[in-house]
Amino acid sequence: SQQGEEDPQALSIQEGENATMNCSYKTSINNLQWYRQNSGRGLVHLILIRSNEREKHSGRLRVTLDTSKKSSSLLITASRAADTASYFCATDAQGTASKLTFGTGTRLQVTL
Amino acid sequence: DAGVTQSPTHLIKTRGQQVTLRCSPKSGHDTVSWYQQALGQGPQFIFQYYEEEERQRGNFPDRFSGHQFPNYSSELNVNALLLGDSALYLCASSLAAVFGRSNTFGSGTRLTVV
Repeated sequence: SQQGEEDPQALSIQEGENATMNCSYKTSINNLQWYRQNSGRGLVHLILIRSNEREKHSGRLRVTLDTSKKSSSLLITASRAADTASYFCATDAQGTASKLTFGTGTRLQVTL
Repeated sequence: DAGVTQSPTHLIKTRGQQVTLRCSPKSGHDTVSWYQQALGQGPQFIFQYYEEEERQRGNFPDRFSGHQFPNYSSELNVNALLLGDSALYLCASSLAAVFGRSNTFGSGTRLTVV
């Protein structure tokens, strides 16, 4: 079963706009990770945030984590057409990169 | 530096048959995990191998089995295939010694059961 849900399920924006995706989860975690998947192929790791961190940045990505609400958000600034993909959050309860529990994903479409 | 390599990329099998999928981890990684991703869903954890042993297992029947070799590569075997086994099978590798680490995923094997 999935750990949680991502919101929205689908998002369509224009190039240059910001995209925000939200993730909720159910159990205590060691860290939360975001992955990107293009056209149903392999997952690409984007960013990892530990349970004692509240915010993390990597290039155009900004991730927040609120463990009291069991939620996280991924912000992509100045979106590009190449950002078109599905985005998944995954929780790691043990910190061992084992048994990641994924959300249902957000499909992002960035149009020119 | 090669990433995670999976073979084959696509596979079509008949219901009731058996299938073997293969994975070579990223250079320097010693742990391999397998995930099943049904169409439109997030990946679901099948099991993980470390030191040639199954260390953790998700909610999958015994028809799903695996193996890890001394060179850290791994195989996923599925027996008595069902139509519902049609999915993208993803292999991920990591290094056990690094706590709070992320996975490197392969491009997956698309299995279609007819």
